[in-house]
Amino acid sequence: DSGVTQTPKHLITATGQRVTLRCSPRSGDLSVYWYQQSLDQGLQFLIQYYNGEERAKGNILERFSAQQFPDLHSELNLSSLELGDSALYFCASSVVSSGTTDTQYFGPGTRLTVL
Amino acid sequence: AQKVTQAQTEISVVEKEDVTLDCVYETRDTTYYLFWYKQPPSGELVFLIRRNSFDEQNEISGRYSWNFQKSTSSFNFTITASQVVDSAVYFCALSEAVYGGSQGNLIFGKGTKLSVKP
Repeated sequence: DSGVTQTPKHLITATGQRVTLRCSPRSGDLSVYWYQQSLDQGLQFLIQYYNGEERAKGNILERFSAQQFPDLHSELNLSSLELGDSALYFCASSVVSSGTTDTQYFGPGTRLTVL
Repeated sequence: AQKVTQAQTEISVVEKEDVTLDCVYETRDTTYYLFWYKQPPSGELVFLIRRNSFDEQNEISGRYSWNFQKSTSSFNFTITASQVVDSAVYFCALSEAVYGGSQGNLIFGKGTKLSVKP
């Protein structure tokens, strides 16, 4: 158990809908990352938050957005869902040490199925 | 640009065989970090090891060992005396050093699916 929690574990929805994925980082970790794992694209970085602020963006679609709240949990919002958005969405967290890259610990993931 | 290549898509071995998973990376940065993660059939991503670019010492942890060679930009992972429980997809990942409170995101390879048969 990495200490990172994600809810829900599974989500089935229809095209055009909007969903919210939730992540709670490990105790003491200030940074949260979101990744998407799909069969064709593999594991791809979406976005990073650090202590409530957006720090880096990857291949995140404009239909997707995220935020990190004062209690450090994060939510990933996916809207106008398409069939191709079906994937496993991971959240990871890390501490932030000055001048180095810390290990990211991953949650169990949320499997999104868009029908 | 950063890139991680895991040329072996799938490997199948019989229990107790040794197996090496290859990882080749590309980066222009002089300081970077390499990782291996394991994804068992249950789906979670489990951290295995983190290596800094300035530390080329090989590492051994039980049946697992890692060989980091900057000269060939490789970070290979060997499982000695494989077991059925080692069956999983293994990912190699790269992160460049960043500063000012930001942390490098991970660039993953496509993964190698290891099947260990009894």
